[in-house]
Amino acid sequence: SQQGEEDPQALSIQEGENATMNCSYKTSINNLQWYRQNSGRGLVHLILIRSNEREKHSGRLRVTLDTSKKSSSLLITASRAADTASYFCATDSDTGRRALTFGSGTRLQVQP
Amino acid sequence: NAGVTQTPKFQVLKTGQSMTLQCAQDMNHNSMYWYRQDPGMGLRLIYYSASEGTTDKGEVPNGYNVSRLNKREFSLRLESAAPSQTSVYFCASSDTRGHTEAFFGQGTRLTVV
Repeated sequence: SQQGEEDPQALSIQEGENATMNCSYKTSINNLQWYRQNSGRGLVHLILIRSNEREKHSGRLRVTLDTSKKSSSLLITASRAADTASYFCATDSDTGRRALTFGSGTRLQVQP
Repeated sequence: NAGVTQTPKFQVLKTGQSMTLQCAQDMNHNSMYWYRQDPGMGLRLIYYSASEGTTDKGEVPNGYNVSRLNKREFSLRLESAAPSQTSVYFCASSDTRGHTEAFFGQGTRLTVV
């Protein structure tokens, strides 16, 4: 079963707008990570937030984590057409299997 | 910087045929993983290897076997391919088990007819 579930499944915005994607998960975690996948390519790591952190920034990316609600959000500010991709959250659980568990992803389309 | 290299990139198999997907990483990572990606389902873990000489089942191991040949290489074998194994397969590696970022290969697109 999927640990993380992303919302929305698909998002279409105009260049310059902000894009927000949400992720919910089920078990307690060590950290939560966000990845990007361009069409037909492998996943690329964007940002990692640890369970004791609430917010993290990297360039135009802002990630929040609410462990009480088991949820995270990824905000991309001032989006560009080149941001068009699928975005996945992945959790590192602190119990059981020691490998990342991925959500089903959000497909982001940024219109020029 | 090669990173994680997967071969082949594309493959078509007939039902019942066997094949091995190869993966190698040059980052001296301890952990390696095989995932499959199906439309609308994200990535699902097939097998992983926390260190050389160890392998563990993931979420969807049935129909697959793996070998951690050495620290660099982690192969995935389909003994008798089935149409349900049509998917895109990704190999990944990381320094420690889930604690740090994972690096992914470009994927193998497998079709079983």
